[in-house]
Amino acid sequence: AQTVTQSQPEMSVQEAETVTLSCTYDTSESNYYLFWYKQPPSRQMILVIRQEAYKQQNATENRFSVNFQKAAKSFSLKISDSQLGDTAMYFCAFMTYIQGAQKLVFGQGTRLTINP
Amino acid sequence: NAGVTQTPKFRVLKTGQSMTLLCAQDMNHEYMYWYRQDPGMGLRLIHYSVGEGTTAKGEVPDGYNVSRLKKQNFLLGLESAAPSQTSVYFCASSFRQGRNIQYFGAGTRLSVL
Repeated sequence: AQTVTQSQPEMSVQEAETVTLSCTYDTSESNYYLFWYKQPPSRQMILVIRQEAYKQQNATENRFSVNFQKAAKSFSLKISDSQLGDTAMYFCAFMTYIQGAQKLVFGQGTRLTINP
Repeated sequence: NAGVTQTPKFRVLKTGQSMTLLCAQDMNHEYMYWYRQDPGMGLRLIHYSVGEGTTAKGEVPDGYNVSRLKKQNFLLGLESAAPSQTSVYFCASSFRQGRNIQYFGAGTRLSVL
């Protein structure tokens, strides 16, 4: 069974600093997708970034980038120039397929606080 | 665009009561999902649907039933609520093909006393 582990329950940084959230996963599949979702206090799950396992190039979305190490099964999220609005729970997720449908397996989450 | 809409947003039930959570999406997605989120844990898949009239069990299906009579709607039912079903419930939807991105509703906070 696939598992996703986020080893940092909470993190806190000052505004404008760079922060890296860790994620490791376990799978025997070779083709899959990885995601980072953000959940602010509003509770809405918001997609931050997506990575295809067959692509070696790390995904980037503005201030957000990932360090994808397929052999190590590691998928960390880097937030540059952090902003107060980045305060949220961040979930790493692995996508596999179940009977033709897409199944997301989530980590436990990291609570990130950006301090002014 | 409304995206994925869940109703209600909050609900309190007594043990043994029943209720239905409604999920509606306006993006013409084929796939729809129900997840639950408990403290200290990520979201876990309850049931999912790959199309109108089809449903299947996810990781934690016990105590729940679902129906998808229309492509845009996915209903989650609790026939006899238990305190263990106190949770936040999320609906999501996605295209069958494409970028494999699931879009989430805002969640329903359910308390069972």
